[in-house]
Amino acid sequence: DAGVIQSPRHEVTEMGQEVTLRCKPISGHNSLFWYRQTMMRGLELLIYFNNNVPIDDSGMPEDRFSAKMPNASFSTLKIQPSEPRDSAVYFCASSLAPNQETQYFGPGTRLLVL
Amino acid sequence: DAKTTQPNSMESNEEEPVHLPCNHSTISGTDYIHWYRQLPSQGPEYVIHGLTSNVNNRMASLAIAEDRKSSTLILHRATLRDAAVYYCILRDVGSNYKLTFGKGTLLTVNP
Repeated sequence: DAGVIQSPRHEVTEMGQEVTLRCKPISGHNSLFWYRQTMMRGLELLIYFNNNVPIDDSGMPEDRFSAKMPNASFSTLKIQPSEPRDSAVYFCASSLAPNQETQYFGPGTRLLVL
Repeated sequence: DAKTTQPNSMESNEEEPVHLPCNHSTISGTDYIHWYRQLPSQGPEYVIHGLTSNVNNRMASLAIAEDRKSSTLILHRATLRDAAVYYCILRDVGSNYKLTFGKGTLLTVNP
């Protein structure tokens, strides 16, 4: 089992550029979550998909952030335009079902916006 | 979401037991108590969860107070690889996909 796969693992970009983070959930998992972790705010949920449909995007900070899940094995989180305050580690997690006890996290993408 | 309170940091020696406390005085009857941990430069990983009874698995034990207002995660023999931030999280059994992470407890394990 490969676990949750995220790419890239590290991203450095300049303010104003578009950033796309990618996630492949564990095969067979129906729920996918995007989290962001910063020193100031800790780990916070950005958006949650169930069966490829966004269910809760109340954590998405603003319109510059968008997320898609075109199929059960792929999701993207896009930031356009990026700003220095978007610098953080972004985690993707998946679970078998929405309220299944275990969420499995990927290794994260460390984003630095200069 | 009901809140949890954990010490900011704790220290332990290798091969000794570690008791990580968590207070959750506003817990509701349908809240499960979950523990996750985050090793350095990794994503969080599930450790254990319970509702009312004490629970054991290969990683740890979870002791839940009778009134459920507090719980303790027990690592029976700490190793250097157990050094991590440990998060105690309440999760409603009905709702609820949400994991709301607090600041957690940073566990340092001394050789």
